[in-house]
Amino acid sequence: KNEVEQSPQNLTAQEGEFITINCSYSVGISALHWLQQHPGGGIVSLFMLSSGKKKHGRLIATINIQEKHSSLHITASHPRDSAVYICAVASWNYGGSQGNLIFGKGTKLSVKP
Amino acid sequence: EPEVTQTPSHQVTQMGQEVILRCVPISNHLYFYWYRQILGQKVEFLVSFYNNEISEKSEIFDDQFSVERPDGSNFTLKIRSTKLEDSAMYFCASSEVRFTGLARSNEQFFGPGTRLTVL
Repeated sequence: KNEVEQSPQNLTAQEGEFITINCSYSVGISALHWLQQHPGGGIVSLFMLSSGKKKHGRLIATINIQEKHSSLHITASHPRDSAVYICAVASWNYGGSQGNLIFGKGTKLSVKP
Repeated sequence: EPEVTQTPSHQVTQMGQEVILRCVPISNHLYFYWYRQILGQKVEFLVSFYNNEISEKSEIFDDQFSVERPDGSNFTLKIRSTKLEDSAMYFCASSEVRFTGLARSNEQFFGPGTRLTVL
């Protein structure tokens, strides 16, 4: 079962293009994370959001709780944006659990100069 | 800027051996996590740890695995009797907790990972 689905799996863009990566989830969540995984394997947290929209530089993340959907946008894409972008959700926790994440499979982005 | 560190960056071991993967979380964080990523697959949750005990673990985290916070800074993952299928990238993460209304959410900070290769 895949609680978190991302699309597309692979994305190739030309430098300067506007990019959108989508994430749908099927579980109740307390937060949704967008992460970036570099070719060397390291993971960097880009956004954590539970409603609305967040912006950081050229990156914008939105979430629609009712539709269980989030998007990550990259404006004016650049070759250095090439990485795997991962959507992960923290499902509703009860008792003592503390927000372990359920990950999507990731979207591999390649931006050509 | 504070960061999560992990050692070693790459560990090669023989099948059946025990390995200990080490992590130093961000100093004021209270929640710690281990995740793994088998090559070509998605990241999977292993275990979360709070107040010196496991707070949640996945089906993957069986008796072969254990976690420990042996002192005030290190957080370790021990894998006993390693198998070929344990070969993966292991990520440590830490977080503080924030409340947004009634929702509890943790922004997690990830370490660079340890690549474990079991031969």
